[in-house]
Amino acid sequence: NAGVMQNPRHLVRRRGQEARLRCSPMKGHSHVYWYRQLPEEGLKFMVYLQKENIIDESGMPKERFSAEFPKEGPSILRIQQVVRGDSAAYFCASSPPGRGPNMNTEAFFGQGTRLTVV
Amino acid sequence: DAKTTQPTSMDCAEGRAANLPCNHSTISGNEYVYWYRQIHSQGPQYIIHGLKNNETNEMASLIITEDRKSSTLILPHATLRDTAVYYCIVHPTGNQFYFGTGTSLTVIP
Repeated sequence: NAGVMQNPRHLVRRRGQEARLRCSPMKGHSHVYWYRQLPEEGLKFMVYLQKENIIDESGMPKERFSAEFPKEGPSILRIQQVVRGDSAAYFCASSPPGRGPNMNTEAFFGQGTRLTVV
Repeated sequence: DAKTTQPTSMDCAEGRAANLPCNHSTISGNEYVYWYRQIHSQGPQYIIHGLKNNETNEMASLIITEDRKSSTLILPHATLRDTAVYYCIVHPTGNQFYFGTGTSLTVIP
């Protein structure tokens, strides 16, 4: 669990600004998942990425949200023109290569980024 | 949508075994049963997973019925730090681990 690093841990943005959330997967992991947890609610899947590819973005809002996982560097979840409803905890998880969602694998989560839009 | 059913909440006395049930009657042959927990809005923590045999690790035991339609997570000696929401997940289901509402376990001193 401690191996997946998310930063920042807390982020405050004014309405209309951009938020960039970073996720460094565990060493050797090439699969990344992003989840969102609204206050007092459960975890909701947003997007699943492999290196340089978006595999499943069925949980991503159609506008303002984007994600990437470049060949080098962390995965980035970007939220443009934030609104108060974007305030939530955003969790990233990673899993090893060659053991994607259709195979037996566990995913390890980071401690999350708590976004507050004021 | 979630393919699992769990009780909303449970209590357990400190030091006793906590037995958390999960129903997954529509599980298919290649799907595993995973358990995660989330302690007070921290990141979800992987606990254990299994296919059809019972599994044990340093955290817990997983008992899966022979027909695989239900399972039980056992925390052998619950401590106050085990108070958390426990999620039973059938995976793979698409490209994600689907977190339903889970069971809120409270360990009582």
